[in-house]
Amino acid sequence: NAGVTQTPKFRVLKTGQSMTLLCAQDMNHEYMYWYRQDPGMGLRLIHYSVGEGTTAKGEVPDGYNVSRLKKQNFLLGLESAAPSQTSVYFCASSGGSSYNEQFFGPGTRLTVL
Amino acid sequence: AQSVTQLDSHVSVSEGTPVLLRCNYSSSYSPSLFWYVQHPNKGLQLLLKYTSAATLVKGINGFEAEFKKSETSFHLTKPSAHMSDAAEYFCVVANTDKLIFGTGTRLQVFP
Repeated sequence: NAGVTQTPKFRVLKTGQSMTLLCAQDMNHEYMYWYRQDPGMGLRLIHYSVGEGTTAKGEVPDGYNVSRLKKQNFLLGLESAAPSQTSVYFCASSGGSSYNEQFFGPGTRLTVL
Repeated sequence: AQSVTQLDSHVSVSEGTPVLLRCNYSSSYSPSLFWYVQHPNKGLQLLLKYTSAATLVKGINGFEAEFKKSETSFHLTKPSAHMSDAAEYFCVVANTDKLIFGTGTRLQVFP
């Protein structure tokens, strides 16, 4: 039982390049989330999903897209990376709404040059 | 709108002394509140949560938090700090489908 896994763990991009971050969970959770963590700002929600085939915008969605084609996977895409997207990205999942415990992945450290 | 404010960005204690991490919340209705912990280079882990069943909530690793409506506070405490408690702690409020995170308090524990 791996919980929540994220791929890759580290990535360096040049401005304008694209990439996809993959989140996978094996707990059969309905809800999945993508956050970014920046120093002194806590975690900010980028996008989330309340079930397979659904997505919704969070607090800071601009510059990102997501897809939830399978219940266990939640993909975060950067179409044209910018230095402002340098951050640590965390995926989380929960069995219900936000009132339930969220389980977090280990994070992806992304640097955009 | 719901929000949380963590009153200290850094807290330093000696091993064996009490820990107090302060959090105030703002909510137009009875909130669901959480404390999460993040150890260096790790993801976040739930310490405890308050959902109105009891005002004093016990969590893992000897931590507890007390919900005080009159003070709009949800402070995290531990009677005796251990070196392994050194981490970043986040106070969090639930908002429908989303969690709203505080900016975090970094706890340092000195031997």
